[in-house]
Amino acid sequence: DQQVKQNSPSLSVQEGRISILNCDYTNSMFDYFLWYKKYPAEGPTFLISISSIKDKNEDGRFTVFLNKSAKHLSLHIVPSQPGDSAVYFCAARDSGYALNFGKGTSLLVTP
Amino acid sequence: EAGVAQSPRYKIIEKRQSVAFWCNPISGHATLYWYQQILGQGPKLLIQFQNNGVVDDSQLPKDRFSAERLKGVDSTLKIQPAKLEDSAVYLCASSLDFPRKYFGPGTRLTVL
Repeated sequence: DQQVKQNSPSLSVQEGRISILNCDYTNSMFDYFLWYKKYPAEGPTFLISISSIKDKNEDGRFTVFLNKSAKHLSLHIVPSQPGDSAVYFCAARDSGYALNFGKGTSLLVTP
Repeated sequence: EAGVAQSPRYKIIEKRQSVAFWCNPISGHATLYWYQQILGQGPKLLIQFQNNGVVDDSQLPKDRFSAERLKGVDSTLKIQPAKLEDSAVYLCASSLDFPRKYFGPGTRLTVL
């Protein structure tokens, strides 16, 4: 049963615009949420995280927003750059400290 | 700083054969993970080690999968015998502390 869902398999954005990647979850016991970025033939790399006690975390061009009541989080990339083209995975930590991953969203940033 | 090393990068075997993957984590990282990523899915945790002890292996199919981490450094993951549904990328990751987890490039396994 998929507890972390990324309902958009792909997203295309123009360079310089905002990219918004969405993630929904079902388990209210998740206490930490993370975003990973993955290039082809490489392992995922950690991008940004947010604790369940916060609603926003910012790191440079990347901001993650958490809406606990809606069980929804989003990753904003502003401005988007061609090098941001990758697959983005949302993950959530459960009470056993295991990470539950979504299926990923493939982002394409066009010049 | 050297990253997580994995070998081989690719492996093709026939069903019912056995296969082993190797992982060398980042130096000093006590926690090591093995994940399975099936095409179109997110990574799924198979097993987590803290030093050379198992912390979580609840999703490891123990009838065919085994893993060990001798001396708390390198680790091997073995599948015996392999099934068609084991075709996936096997990712090794290590971490010093949460939330930063460093993944290796993975081993792509194809079972024919």
